[in-house]
Amino acid sequence: QSVLTQPPSASGIPGQSITISCSGSNSNIGTNYVYWYQQLPETAPKLVIYRGHQRPSGVPDRFSGSKSGTSASLTISDLRPEDEADYFCAAWDDGVHTPLIGGGTKLTVL
Amino acid sequence: DVQLVGSGGGLVQPGRSLRLSCVGSGFTFGDYAMHWVRQVPGKGLEWVSGIGWRSGNIDYADSVKGRFTISRDDSENTLYLQMNSLRAGDTAFYYCAKAEGSYSGYLFDSWGQGILVTVSS
Repeated sequence: QSVLTQPPSASGIPGQSITISCSGSNSNIGTNYVYWYQQLPETAPKLVIYRGHQRPSGVPDRFSGSKSGTSASLTISDLRPEDEADYFCAAWDDGVHTPLIGGGTKLTVL
Repeated sequence: DVQLVGSGGGLVQPGRSLRLSCVGSGFTFGDYAMHWVRQVPGKGLEWVSGIGWRSGNIDYADSVKGRFTISRDDSENTLYLQMNSLRAGDTAFYYCAKAEGSYSGYLFDSWGQGILVTVSS
């Protein structure tokens, strides 16, 4: 079964760096672009990283993405209270020929 | 700026139908794949259905296959989701999302506001 696995929660203090992982397989992360979304409470998701490491205009350079094999990571440096949100990874899966979305990671800024 | 404005949600009884719409602006609608993604309040995101450039590709999640139909009217810049035989488990916020490209491999770069669908007797 094709799935993207994220840790359910993560936490950090202001100023710290935090990394959220997303584990997949050859049919998705291994061969396709990875996307990351931030969802603040009561709002629609917002794209923060596309094609693995690209940042849309307006997204601070504190947000960065990387990929190694069948895993991807989102790193937020200089953590700020406004970064507290749910973060989802996503990638196309060549096996099922549909998008896959990770279960999400709830980031708490202490 | 890209804008996606959804409509058509509401309270519906189990077994009944509902049609969601999503109007896009700020981009050449017909050049991009479009998707529907849903979210049960407090839970994660679930991809529901996608339609490619010129309706060349259409896919559904197993959970809605045979009950939901996605379509698009590029002349009206509008995406639709026809939902039949609705179940309590379909209760969720539904988001329309524009893809970065024509279909395969390219995921969502813009999202509409959530459309609440509640299936209950």
